[in-house]
Amino acid sequence: QLLLQESGPGLMKPSETLSLTCSVSGDSISSGTYNWAWIRQSPGKGLEWIATIYYSGNTYYNPSVETRVTISVDTSKNQFSLALNSVTAADTALYYCARHSTAGGARNGYYHLNWFDSWGPGTLVTVSS
Amino acid sequence: DIQMTQSPSSLSASVGDRVTITCRTSQSISRYLNWYQQKPGKAPKLLIYAASSLLSGVPSRFSGSGSDTDFTLTISSLQPEDFATYFCQQSFSTVITFGQGTRLENK
Repeated sequence: QLLLQESGPGLMKPSETLSLTCSVSGDSISSGTYNWAWIRQSPGKGLEWIATIYYSGNTYYNPSVETRVTISVDTSKNQFSLALNSVTAADTALYYCARHSTAGGARNGYYHLNWFDSWGPGTLVTVSS
Repeated sequence: DIQMTQSPSSLSASVGDRVTITCRTSQSISRYLNWYQQKPGKAPKLLIYAASSLLSGVPSRFSGSGSDTDFTLTISSLQPEDFATYFCQQSFSTVITFGQGTRLENK
């Protein structure tokens, strides 16, 4: 059974860099053709997809944060991570990591048939001065 | 970005009721639409992918339909464990977006 667990700082100050890690157990992060994603949820914005890293190494980012965010995988630790710099109060949210599965063929490198089928429990990040 | 509009925003129903939730997209997304269920304090859980494919292990009382811009999630006979918030999500665009959610409450 695949289990994901987020870890993060909890409380941050504006302008700092948020670093989140998702520890994966129950399967190797580098096995198969799975992809990995970060999603956040806040009362004001609802569910917002942030980033995905494909097994191929390709990355996709939400334009709303694209200039501030990096997603990466550490296969030696069976983890993947998110770095979000220059945080503001607007980045306050519950952050989830998820497995991002795909099916069918890709068009221009993107698999239109995709979904988030395993999620971590989430980690709350609050940005406040 | 593709805008997702769910209706209603909230819904009161009773055990045994048939419930339908609608998701409308701002442009055609073919059938690249997924549905999730979220209970308080928990992460969303995938129910249906590709508009109508039921994830293995999800009860058959859940069903999805639709294409292009109009989609529905139907619960044929509401069970006590189904009171939750439901979200749609499109995967057509490289910028993935979610609906705002429909809160299903016990009448």
